[in-house]
Amino acid sequence: AQSVTQLGSHVSVSEGALVLLRCNYSSSVPPYLFWYVQYPNQGLQLLLKYTSAATLVKGINGFEAEFKKSETSFHLTKPSAHMSDAAEYFCAVSDQRRYGGSQGNLIFGKGTKLSVKP
Amino acid sequence: NAGVTQTPKFQVLKTGQSMTLQCAQDMNHNSMYWYRQDPGMGLRLIYYSASEGTTDKGEVPNGYNVSRLNKREFSLRLESAAPSQTSVYFCASSERGYTFGSGTRLTVV
Repeated sequence: AQSVTQLGSHVSVSEGALVLLRCNYSSSVPPYLFWYVQYPNQGLQLLLKYTSAATLVKGINGFEAEFKKSETSFHLTKPSAHMSDAAEYFCAVSDQRRYGGSQGNLIFGKGTKLSVKP
Repeated sequence: NAGVTQTPKFQVLKTGQSMTLQCAQDMNHNSMYWYRQDPGMGLRLIYYSASEGTTDKGEVPNGYNVSRLNKREFSLRLESAAPSQTSVYFCASSERGYTFGSGTRLTVV
């Protein structure tokens, strides 16, 4: 069974500081990994995804994540936080092969709320 | 390009009442999903439909039923609402990537 663990339900950083949101996964098959962002009272927006190509994945809004198989991790980073980054972030894993090419079911972590202090 | 449309956006029910949450997508996606989001729990899969004519249970199916009416529409029904079903419900569809609706905020009193 696949699962995702996000370390830290709340993370607070100062504007301009490094953002690091941690995600560890468990999967019996090579996983597809995702980071989503949710702004207050909105749906989920895809930040980036890993689908077994390059291990360093660049996403929108300056975010990137690195797939480390040896550590079963897929941490999200951004060099310099902006006030507009304040949101909740979700890491997710799927087994893409289950449906012969479609994305399969996403299993989500519990989320990390990012606060950015001025 | 509407994407995934959910109705209603807000709903208050009394315990024991029934209702159907509607979801429609216009991207010709085969797979559709219903998730619920609760504070500190992330999103949990209720039911999914890998293709038109098929539905399967997810992680938390108890108290819910679904209907894949056609390729576009996937509805979620609460037959007898309970306060534990107070949540935000998200519908999604996927082909090569997921698209989420904007959610339905349901309160059961």
